[in-house]
Amino acid sequence: GAGVSQSPSNKVTEKGKDVELRCDPISGHTALYWYRQSLGQGLEFLIYFQGNSAPDKSGLPSDRFSAERTGGSVSTLTIQRTQQEDSAVYLCASSSLAGSSGNTIYFGEGSWLTVV
Amino acid sequence: GDSVTQMEGPVTLSEEAFLTINCTYTATGYPSLFWYVQYPGEGLQLLLKATKADDKGSNKGFEATYRKETTSFHLEKGSVQVSDSAVYFCALNQGGKLIFGQGTELSVKP
Repeated sequence: GAGVSQSPSNKVTEKGKDVELRCDPISGHTALYWYRQSLGQGLEFLIYFQGNSAPDKSGLPSDRFSAERTGGSVSTLTIQRTQQEDSAVYLCASSSLAGSSGNTIYFGEGSWLTVV
Repeated sequence: GDSVTQMEGPVTLSEEAFLTINCTYTATGYPSLFWYVQYPGEGLQLLLKATKADDKGSNKGFEATYRKETTSFHLEKGSVQVSDSAVYFCALNQGGKLIFGQGTELSVKP
């Protein structure tokens, strides 16, 4: 596609339910990132994929959070047993060259998650 | 660890005023530096970048110079417009991962 595509754009869920957020990166981009943007916390790095493997999972806040990427393309971020503090915008991004500090990283418009 | 510090907002300016948003970083190596912008209701967009010391990134009238001696990457624009109202994020990239500052909200009044 022309840009990074994320779905759903908005999700309201009840506390304790599981949610899945999907990201479709720019075609041909090998690196894929998940970030979280919440009030008072700024932009937090969650996880980074190079192809289908995740060399850096250091930002996942707890074991309730997991992500996978299949076929070197689409990624799914799963949050189990959601809590109110999980409410945030979840941003996906991709870039064409993994591990290169000078490479531009392109962001999707985000999935706004509200846990009630 | 690596980190980015930005001046706190919100910053409110009149149209055609001069803009500076300060950004400093801490990094163990030689990162690339970026400014991203988030307009109301939109996603993050790259505004400009610089990949080595003394490089100047520029776009849409905005400029920032990579100053290794002061570990800074301050964003400047000579004459802001109402349409520049947005949140601006400074970021560094070392090893392929972006680390962001807290963001600075800019509001430009006519």
